[in-house]
Amino acid sequence: SAVISQKPSRDICQRGTSLTIQCQVDSQVTMMFWYRQQPGQSLTLIATANQGSEATYESGFVIDKFPISRPNLTFSTLTVSNMSPEDSSIYLCSVWTGGYTEAFFGQGTRLTVV
Amino acid sequence: DAKTTQPPSMDCAEGRAANLPCNHSTISGNEYVYWYRQIHSQGPQYIIHGLKNNETNEMASLIITEDRKSSTLILPHATLRDTAVYYCIVRVAGANNLFFGTGTRLTVIP
Repeated sequence: SAVISQKPSRDICQRGTSLTIQCQVDSQVTMMFWYRQQPGQSLTLIATANQGSEATYESGFVIDKFPISRPNLTFSTLTVSNMSPEDSSIYLCSVWTGGYTEAFFGQGTRLTVV
Repeated sequence: DAKTTQPPSMDCAEGRAANLPCNHSTISGNEYVYWYRQIHSQGPQYIIHGLKNNETNEMASLIITEDRKSSTLILPHATLRDTAVYYCIVRVAGANNLFFGTGTRLTVIP
């Protein structure tokens, strides 16, 4: 199993500012994943973060808006840049177990942009 | 990845079995069926997965039809804490991302 800690758990931010979300895993993992869950909606994958290389973004998400860092095998950050109210969502970090049989999720960061 | 279809909502009486259906008629031979649930304000929680055989663990049972075009997640004795959105996901073997659909909102009623 894996224990994932996300910080902050929630925040209220002014439009035009940026927020960096941290994801810490209690074991080394090759890939980490960032998801977005808009109000009342399902989860959508934003990007895959690999250690030592640039993140791979899904269609509709760009690096300038959601820059990701992956400095080591247990940690990643997602920045939501130049925020607007449409960015109000829950952002979740996820990893797979070593056997790639189960994916674990953090508790999420609930972001409200005003 | 194959698309899944689930009813948007279901109710279940506390203590009774909850049977959540999922249709995945376009599933391929190397795609697994995964079930996750999301309790309000929490991250998704893994429940169970299977390829073609029925599976059981401490949380639930997964029944996959012989043609693999549909499956049913069974919570044998639903409790109020099982109230959540349940997602049925089809995952290609070795794929690292999960594509979540809209899920089924299960409400367990006292």
